Amino acid sequence: GQNIDQPTEMTATEGAIVQINCTYQTSGFNGLFWYQQHAGEAPTFLSYNVLDGLEEKGRFSSFLSRSKGYSYLLLKELQMKDSASYLCAPHRNFNKFYFGSGTKLNVKP
Amino acid sequence: DADVTQTPRNRITKTGKRIMLECSQTKGHDRMYWYRQDPGLGLRLIYYSFDVKDINKGEISDGYSVSRQAQAKFSLSLESAIPNQTALYFCATSDLGGGTGSGNEQFFGPGTRLTVL
Repeated sequence: GQNIDQPTEMTATEGAIVQINCTYQTSGFNGLFWYQQHAGEAPTFLSYNVLDGLEEKGRFSSFLSRSKGYSYLLLKELQMKDSASYLCAPHRNFNKFYFGSGTKLNVKP
Repeated sequence: DADVTQTPRNRITKTGKRIMLECSQTKGHDRMYWYRQDPGLGLRLIYYSFDVKDINKGEISDGYSVSRQAQAKFSLSLESAIPNQTALYFCATSDLGGGTGSGNEQFFGPGTRLTVL
């Protein structure tokens, strides 16, 4: 819902780098969250971007372009445990949270 | 101990039955949310509450009701369950935050898997 667009599934190799893109509606936009969700488990917070640019947090980085309605999550030095779904969640109008349908990342040995 | 708990974790029920899902939190957050997750559709907001006296409908509130009994407790009810309410239900909390800071991130409970036959 809310025109949040992210790829359904991606596959990458252990040790590699992968970029997961997300586009969203810009009206009422405050900031954007990324969450990780392992199969059958609860989502857990990864990052929040409110300003344009890249924010790095260990192996994970998140980028935001407010004017373009675009974000990406960059995962470096992939590990098998990174196999999970990654949810893009624009925060709008200060009290509305919307979630994309998620990108399922498969990490292969 | 988990900060956000949900009961039950799994429930199988029949069409037409009344079901209540419960959520408790020890994080001291004012804001609480109920979502459902279906394969391919992501998380969809059912109801949310910013404090004990505040209840708001989300994207898909039809067929559901909620009760905020205390700051720490937020229950979701299905008055007459139907099969298309079969889903994974998550409760979440967040701090008041400043609207622009990372303090708005949500903390999720472990989920309740509900099957309506």
